[in-house]
Amino acid sequence: SQQGEEDPQALSIQEGENATMNCSYKTSINNLQWYRQNSGRGLVHLILIRSNEREKHSGRLRVTLDTSKKSSSLLITASRAADTASYFCAPMDSNYQLIWGAGTKLIIKP
Amino acid sequence: EPEVTQTPSHQVTQMGQEVILRCVPISNHLYFYWYRQILGQKVEFLVSFYNNEISEKSEIFDDQFSVERPDGSNFTLKIRSTKLEDSAMYFCASSEPLSYEQYFGPGTRLTVT
Repeated sequence: SQQGEEDPQALSIQEGENATMNCSYKTSINNLQWYRQNSGRGLVHLILIRSNEREKHSGRLRVTLDTSKKSSSLLITASRAADTASYFCAPMDSNYQLIWGAGTKLIIKP
Repeated sequence: EPEVTQTPSHQVTQMGQEVILRCVPISNHLYFYWYRQILGQKVEFLVSFYNNEISEKSEIFDDQFSVERPDGSNFTLKIRSTKLEDSAMYFCASSEPLSYEQYFGPGTRLTVT
């Protein structure tokens, strides 16, 4: 399977703590994207990191990419209740197709 | 901020019926996609569309499925004869030229009874 695999499947932390989610994939990629999905809603694009980049920041989000290990991580700092959602990594393969994993369900406890 | 819109938000249909799911991509985007997500499962790619033709399609996108851009703004997914297993959330997405970021609509929940 070429899909992205997120780890952990579920994560529950206190508001204010940092949340780290990991992703592994199997194919060579053009870039890797992270998306958020609130329950029963659409997918919201968070950040894109290109295959030649190692780290990228956007607000409270920090993404790393290690192409030698075929892995990526998403760090959300100072989490808020509104961050409660499912988070998906979606590597984009050489055919420019996004490959989806099962996601990490993040719960932020107030 | 421009966004992708989809109608209807929820569609209930009987097995064997045809359904058309509609999407209005962001206006300057040229690449269009359909995905589906069966409840509790992964997002699955169905088809991508560029320059009025299909660029890529998955194994799921069989002869029962078709896509069309009937005018300058709408992008539709048609399922000719729905099956129970077509019940899912269907997402439309679009992206602009030279960008890999895809912007998703809120989805249409299709329920086949």
